[in-house]
Amino acid sequence: NAGVTQTPKFQVLKTGQSMTLQCAQDMNHNSMYWYRQDPGMGLRLIYYSASEGTTDKGEVPNGYNVSRLNKREFSLRLESAAPSQTSVYFCASKTAGSNYNEQFFGPGTRLTVL
Amino acid sequence: AQKITQTQPGMFVQEKEAVTLDCTYDTSDPSYGLFWYKQPSSGEMIFLIYQGSYDQQNATEGRYSLNFQKARKSANLVISASQLGDSAMYFCAMRERGYSTLTFGKGTMLLVSP
Repeated sequence: NAGVTQTPKFQVLKTGQSMTLQCAQDMNHNSMYWYRQDPGMGLRLIYYSASEGTTDKGEVPNGYNVSRLNKREFSLRLESAAPSQTSVYFCASKTAGSNYNEQFFGPGTRLTVL
Repeated sequence: AQKITQTQPGMFVQEKEAVTLDCTYDTSDPSYGLFWYKQPSSGEMIFLIYQGSYDQQNATEGRYSLNFQKARKSANLVISASQLGDSAMYFCAMRERGYSTLTFGKGTMLLVSP
């Protein structure tokens, strides 16, 4: 039981390049999330998918797109990377239900855009 | 207005002492949940403790307890008998009714000295 996995762990891009961050969970969770973490800013929600087949914008969606490929997988795409997207990206998942259920996080992807 | 405020950027405590990390929140929703996560230097996000807005008692999990003062809208994390391994960044987060998303504070860095 791997929990939430993310690939890659590290990535360096040049401005204007595109890439897709992959996330998968094996806990049969309904909801999945993408966050970015910047120094002094905490975690900010980029996009989320409350259930398979749905996606919604979070606090900072500009410059990103997402795909909920199936119940297990939720990918984050940067179409044209910018230095402002240098950050650590976390994927998380949660089972459906009450407010109680905590989100489980992946190990993160450290992205640098030059 | 910030939904989650953590006013202490950094805290220092000696090993075996107790420490309180502050968190205040802002919501008009009567149903909400409050979470604390720990992020050690290795980067992963670890769920610590949860408090529901209707819970009658303060939540406890081992050495972690949550000092929940609803009228003051505060949900402070208390760590008893600090250990060196408690050195980490700590994040307070809130989920409001009807939302599956979490809003995070900016975090408090805790350093435990021998």
